Amino acid sequence: GESVGLHLPTLSVQEGDNSIINCAYSNSASDYFIWYKQESGKGPQFIIDIRSNMDKRQGQRVTVLLNKTVKHLSLQIAATQPGDSAVYFCAENWSNTGKLIFGQGTTLQVKP
Amino acid sequence: NAGVTQTPKFQVLKTGQSMTLQCAQDMNHEYMSWYRQDPGMGLRLIHYSVGAGITDQGEVPNGYNVSRSTTEDFPLRLLSAAPSQTSVYFCASSYSMRGVPYEQYFGPGTRLTVT
Repeated sequence: GESVGLHLPTLSVQEGDNSIINCAYSNSASDYFIWYKQESGKGPQFIIDIRSNMDKRQGQRVTVLLNKTVKHLSLQIAATQPGDSAVYFCAENWSNTGKLIFGQGTTLQVKP
Repeated sequence: NAGVTQTPKFQVLKTGQSMTLQCAQDMNHEYMSWYRQDPGMGLRLIHYSVGAGITDQGEVPNGYNVSRSTTEDFPLRLLSAAPSQTSVYFCASSYSMRGVPYEQYFGPGTRLTVT
């Protein structure tokens, strides 16, 4: 992911709305991508993943979209709930290295 | 399953001291890794291992050593602590296929302060 300095970008949404969190990844050779959710004081929690031979994958209330042409990954959360408030990170696996590299993260705030 | 466990939860060190952060997993995962997370920042990869006896450097390996003598354990050693190593340290593990670490599970973290 691109460096954005010390402050994580913030996305503020209304409860019940859909959320879209974006991530620009760095390595065009990356072959696997993951989205993580991190709540305050806890370790990252796996949400959903996608391999580079796919462009879309759906889970429960979440969808990940992959655009390899512009090295862009997005996480869509349907009907956002207060419990979705957290920091969201994308991570990319650098092909043939085993290195899973994290992006800078986005803070999602859900307004009641 | 306990998942990924880390000890200690908190640690304060003086500059120049050494210590080992412990990480263990009971899921028989081949892949294990260490990350550090500074306030308001993302996670940066320190070292990783694709199996017992195999380790490699991540993005920020300087000042840290690792070894992987068993599948279950992946300790991180700070050789001579510096204030710049003040951070939260996360250990993670996953199964892997052809070198790709799928669905990494993270431990609760160790909060380290170096004075």
